[in-house]
Amino acid sequence: EIVLTQSPGTLSLSPGERATLSCRATETVKSDRLVWYQQKAGQPPRLLIYGASSRATGIPDRFSGSGSGTDFTLTIDRLEPEDFAVYFCQQYVGLEYTFSQGTKLEMK
Amino acid sequence: QVLLVQSGAEAKKPGASVKVTCKASGYTFTKYHMHWVRQAPGQGLDWMGIIRDTDGFTQYAQKFQGRVTMTRDTSTNTVYMELSSLRSEDTAVYFCAREEEATYHFDYWGQGTLVTVSS
Repeated sequence: EIVLTQSPGTLSLSPGERATLSCRATETVKSDRLVWYQQKAGQPPRLLIYGASSRATGIPDRFSGSGSGTDFTLTIDRLEPEDFAVYFCQQYVGLEYTFSQGTKLEMK
Repeated sequence: QVLLVQSGAEAKKPGASVKVTCKASGYTFTKYHMHWVRQAPGQGLDWMGIIRDTDGFTQYAQKFQGRVTMTRDTSTNTVYMELSSLRSEDTAVYFCAREEEATYHFDYWGQGTLVTVSS
């Protein structure tokens, strides 16, 4: 089973700053199968980025995804107050979907 | 609009079973896979399995094999997830989530159903 490890576990930033979140896989993940979600307390996850770099419908362009192979990155430019949440990456390989443990983006 | 509406919270005793429903609307039900994902309190997301779009074929995550059953009723656009032999570690919020075939991501999610297992 592929394990996805996110870093950092917690990221403390201020509105207006840039957030860079990392997702590392234990084996190669095809780019079209790497996904990012945002989750706020008491809500289901919200699709942000699919195919490693494609923004989902309605997602602002300050969110961007990049990477390939085993290393993927979610970048959030010019943080807005509503961006402070938990972020997960997810992959699909070998008939199984797996999620990372998440990065909590908190306001400094 | 696309909606996935799940059944309400459940409280179960260890050893019992629970069946959670997910009613879909706003799209062609048989053109999308449906997945179940759970989240224990304060924890990450755990994929449980999939029921496929056209034929209802199911595939479960290895850790839930033998305990989970996913079914659907295409006449009511409803998907069911039954988990048996419940233990305290199964206390979690259970989500259904939709996937368009071969896209590998979940674009719409249900609101979640809290299942609490306690003696």
